[in-house]
Amino acid sequence: EVQLVESGGDLVQPGGSLRLSCAASGFTFSDSWMTWLRQAPGKGLEWVANVKGDDSEKHYVDSVKGRFTISRDNAKNSLYLQMNSLRAEDTGMYYCIKYSGYAGLDNWGQGTLVTVTS
Amino acid sequence: DIQMTQSPSSLSASVGDRVTITCRASQDIKNDLGWYQQKPGKVPKRLIYVASSLESGVPSRFSGSRSGTEFTLTISSLQPEDFATYYCLQYYVYPLTFGGGTKVEIK
Repeated sequence: EVQLVESGGDLVQPGGSLRLSCAASGFTFSDSWMTWLRQAPGKGLEWVANVKGDDSEKHYVDSVKGRFTISRDNAKNSLYLQMNSLRAEDTGMYYCIKYSGYAGLDNWGQGTLVTVTS
Repeated sequence: DIQMTQSPSSLSASVGDRVTITCRASQDIKNDLGWYQQKPGKVPKRLIYVASSLESGVPSRFSGSRSGTEFTLTISSLQPEDFATYYCLQYYVYPLTFGGGTKVEIK
């Protein structure tokens, strides 16, 4: 059974940094594209970033380029999102998701909450 | 970026009603579209992938179709557990983009 467990969400001031983690199990992590996606309170879904299984290819939504970095450690079956220069508009639930180019967003974690406020 | 225009943004319907939600892509996305259901406080759940393939375990009253750049999610007979918000997602090209969502409420 695929399991994705996020952690690292917290309350942070604007301009601050945070690192989210996602522990994956139940599938061959190193073969899988992974996604970070977010949802602001009461709002819709927004894709944030994707990373290929071997870490050789990454994609970001424009609003986080230069501030966020998606990465992975295949030896630890873990996905990360380093978030710098945080803004109030980065507030939301962040989901770690197993992605496939054929079917899209396959399996979701429960999410971790990031709140950016002064 | 590909824009996904989803309509309506909300609707009220009764149990047993046939419900149709539409997403229009701003350019060709082939069949690379999925539909997701989200209940309040819950993680979104995939219903449909590649435009018309039903996710395992999802009731057959849900169906998806495509006509060009217009995609439709149909619920043939709305059930109490179907009251939720529905989103379409295109994954044909980066950035992946969602429709704005459709909130299905009880009439």
